[in-house]
Amino acid sequence: GESVGLHLPTLSVQEGDNSIINCAYSNSASDYFIWYKQESGKGPQFIIDIRSNMDKRQGQRVTVLLNKTVKHLSLQIAATQPGDSAVYFCAENNYGQNFVFGPGTRLSVLP
Amino acid sequence: GAVVSQHPSWVICKSGTSVKIECRSLDFQATTMFWYRQFPKQSLMLMATSNEGSKATYEQGVEKDKFLINHASLTLSTLTVTSAHPEDSSFYICSASYNSGSNQPQHFGDGTRLSIL
Repeated sequence: GESVGLHLPTLSVQEGDNSIINCAYSNSASDYFIWYKQESGKGPQFIIDIRSNMDKRQGQRVTVLLNKTVKHLSLQIAATQPGDSAVYFCAENNYGQNFVFGPGTRLSVLP
Repeated sequence: GAVVSQHPSWVICKSGTSVKIECRSLDFQATTMFWYRQFPKQSLMLMATSNEGSKATYEQGVEKDKFLINHASLTLSTLTVTSAHPEDSSFYICSASYNSGSNQPQHFGDGTRLSIL
C-alpha cells in the first residue's frame, strides 16, 4: 500500500488577507522556476513562472519573487479567496533538465 | 490551451492485474511526457521521462519492467503497471511539455488514482 504521508507545512490565512508561500530551492544553477497549485484529487495547475534573469514577476493576484543569493522563491497571493485553498508546489529547472519539485505547502483560507 | 487529459481517473483492481493509464495532450504536440507518482501529503516523484519515438528514461529505483511506458505519438503516452500489487497503489500523474530542450512549463493531467486490492 501507500506509505504513511508526512505532514505538509500549512499556512492558514483569513479570507481577504494576503498570503506568502515560501520555497527554498537546492540548485544554484537552476534558471527557471514555476509555482503550481494542486487541489485535492487533481493534478498540479500552472500558476506562474519566472526565469533567473528576473527577480519579480506579477500575474493576476499573484506575484513571484526570486532571490538567487539565498536560493529562495516566494509566491504572494493578494486578497486570498476560499478557492485558493490548495497545496502549492514550487519547481526548479536547470536548463533542459527535469523539474525538481519542493515538498509543498498547504494553504487554508479561513472564512 | 495546453490541456492534458489522463484516463482513467480512478482504477480499482485485483492484485496481479496489469493496468494501463493514458496521457493525452489535447491541443498541442508534446515532444516530452513525464510520469510521476505521488503519495498522500507528499510531493511529486518523477518516475520516468519519455520522448516521442524513443525509449523512456527511468529514474533510479524505478523498475522499467514494472512500469512500461510507451510514447508512440506526439499526443499520447501510456503507462502500464504490470502485475500490480497493493504496494503499487498510488496517485499517478502525467505531464507534457512542448520541448524538452528549453525551459518550458509542464502541463499536468488530473492524475489516476490506482487502488490494488
